[in-house]
Amino acid sequence: EADIYQTPRYLVIGTGKKITLECSQTMGHDKMYWYQQDPGMELHLIHYSYGVNSTEKGDLSSESTVSRIRTEHFPLTLESARPSHTSQYLCASSAFKGPGARDEQFFGPGTRLTVL
Amino acid sequence: AQSVTQLDSQVPVFEEAPVELRCNYSSSVSVYLFWYVQYPNQGLQLLLKYLSGSTLVKGINGFEAEFNKSQTSFHLRKPSVHISDTAEYFCAVSDARRAAGNKLTFGGGTRVLVKP
Repeated sequence: EADIYQTPRYLVIGTGKKITLECSQTMGHDKMYWYQQDPGMELHLIHYSYGVNSTEKGDLSSESTVSRIRTEHFPLTLESARPSHTSQYLCASSAFKGPGARDEQFFGPGTRLTVL
Repeated sequence: AQSVTQLDSQVPVFEEAPVELRCNYSSSVSVYLFWYVQYPNQGLQLLLKYLSGSTLVKGINGFEAEFNKSQTSFHLRKPSVHISDTAEYFCAVSDARRAAGNKLTFGGGTRVLVKP
């Protein structure tokens, strides 16, 4: 059973507001990821982290930023939300299981963001 | 870099009928392959994965997939679907080289609608 949580599940907010999407996992995983899922379903990696104080940008350019101060927490922030940020944001985590193994990514339930 | 193509955006199927979801990938390096399912308003759940060994992979909920290296395909099948299989299905690949980490590249998704 995966233990990865995202809050809020739904958020409707006006243009220009600063928002933070929360993601927490209780599995002690060292790797965490943020994906953006467009209304047409396609998922794109926007940020990832392989450990505390390590963050990298993903394949899809995003105006959001992330931080990884604690292993279990990987928040995503938008300084000034715009309608183009309207999307679903999925957080995931995984753990390295040793040479020859491939860690499975566990996904949170997602945050559906609407910017008016 | 890898890319994934899911050839069908939507697949309607009658209950108890078989279903096949097609997935093709392109990559210049060896890859690991995954199928995820997303139920409404939920995150992604791993159905099955191919890392190495037998090309026929069995997953949860009666699903199976076959890796075909020559055709660069990883099609998902179920011999008899249930109403509860109505969901979005995503094929994904990751670079199999250890140094590449565990970033996933997703296909565009296939929406399965099971009709009674």
